Amino acid sequence: DVKVTQSSRYLVKRTGEKVFLECVQDMDHENMFWYRQDPGLGLRLIYFSYDVKMKEKGDIPEGYSVSREKKERFSLILESASTNQTSMYLCAITGGRLGKNIQYFGAGTRLSVL
Amino acid sequence: DQQVKQNSPSLSVQEGRISILNCDYTNSMFDYFLWYKKYPAEGPTFLISISSIKDKNEDGRFTVFLNKSAKHLSLHIVPSQPGDSAVYFCAATSGSSNTGKLIFGQGTTLQVKP
Repeated sequence: DVKVTQSSRYLVKRTGEKVFLECVQDMDHENMFWYRQDPGLGLRLIYFSYDVKMKEKGDIPEGYSVSREKKERFSLILESASTNQTSMYLCAITGGRLGKNIQYFGAGTRLSVL
Repeated sequence: DQQVKQNSPSLSVQEGRISILNCDYTNSMFDYFLWYKKYPAEGPTFLISISSIKDKNEDGRFTVFLNKSAKHLSLHIVPSQPGDSAVYFCAATSGSSNTGKLIFGQGTTLQVKP
């Protein structure tokens, strides 16, 4: 079974705080993705990474940054959280023995910024 | 520019009947399509996929149909069960992409009534 672990299920932060969302995979998968999900907007890609220290912007990177220092861990960083970043954040992986077309998701982190 | 569209935000069907969820795309480079199911407070789970070389793929109660000329795909669930109540996302990708990047639709909320 593919295991994608997101460090927190629920987070409450204050405006202006720096927020770290962690995603860890248990296999040797190259590609990792961060999405946010909002009602009526579907899943929107924030950033993705196809290798250690490699990253590419997705469709909505503004206000976010990422870090991938080790293959198994991909972090999403909100430098200064704002209320419009209240959302469900989802990490996904693909690649390796999974092939590159099917993404497998973590359970998600529900972030509320007050 | 929404390359993958699910024009019905919601669908309600009676248990035992057929559920049909629709998805349209605009990018003719897409050649692999997927459906995901998402329960509240959980990550999306992969349901079924189809390659553009096929027009139908079946897995138990779930069948995906692809009409390339119309750039349209649909997911049929027969018979529908209350446990199928969830948000369904269609997604598309191009085989020429090395990163496995998916483009998601906005989602359709399916309610199956007992």
